Amino acid sequence: NAGVTQTPKFRILKIGQSMTLQCTQDMNHNYMYWYRQDPGMGLKLIYYSVGAGITDKGEVPNGYNVSRSTTEDFPLRLELAAPSQTSVYFCASSYSFQGSSYEQYFGPGTRLTVT
Amino acid sequence: DAKTTQPNSMESNEEEPVHLPCNHSTISGTDYIHWYRQLPSQGPEYVIHGLTSNVNNRMASLAIAEDRKSSTLILHRATLRDAAVYYCILYYTGNQFYFGTGTSLTVIP
Repeated sequence: NAGVTQTPKFRILKIGQSMTLQCTQDMNHNYMYWYRQDPGMGLKLIYYSVGAGITDKGEVPNGYNVSRSTTEDFPLRLELAAPSQTSVYFCASSYSFQGSSYEQYFGPGTRLTVT
Repeated sequence: DAKTTQPNSMESNEEEPVHLPCNHSTISGTDYIHWYRQLPSQGPEYVIHGLTSNVNNRMASLAIAEDRKSSTLILHRATLRDAAVYYCILYYTGNQFYFGTGTSLTVIP
């Protein structure tokens, strides 16, 4: 299993440009997540999905959009890039069932710079 | 959001045990206690989790206080590869993970 893969690894965007960060998992996990991590800080949840067709906002959703058409893929869209979105972005997935708790598996991250 | 409190940093000598504390006084009965670590320039990595009883796995042990208001992650013999930021997180299925800023562990050779 490849686990959680993210593309690209690095990207530089100009202010106002758009891009999509890709995330794919091959573990048949129902839950998927997008986090951002600013320098010296912990991770903050942007959006998450509990299954195909179902998404919900996390702690810091402004400026981002997501969709989940398949179990495997959970892309994150930046529509109008701003310098405040300079960060490292991590995708994660987990299996979850009501009343239980399972570990999250993280991808290697995408380092995004907006100038 | 369920909050946890951890020391900003800790040091340990190589091959000695490390006890990383976490306070979570507002924990609810359904919250699991998760520990993750993040090595430099990598994504977080799962370490261990538990609900009420102490837990052991190949990486670490988790000691949970009887009132569940605190817990301790125990690394039995610290190695240089254990140098990382360790996050203590409360989680219930359907809720959100709140990572906080964690404890930065330095291992001294």
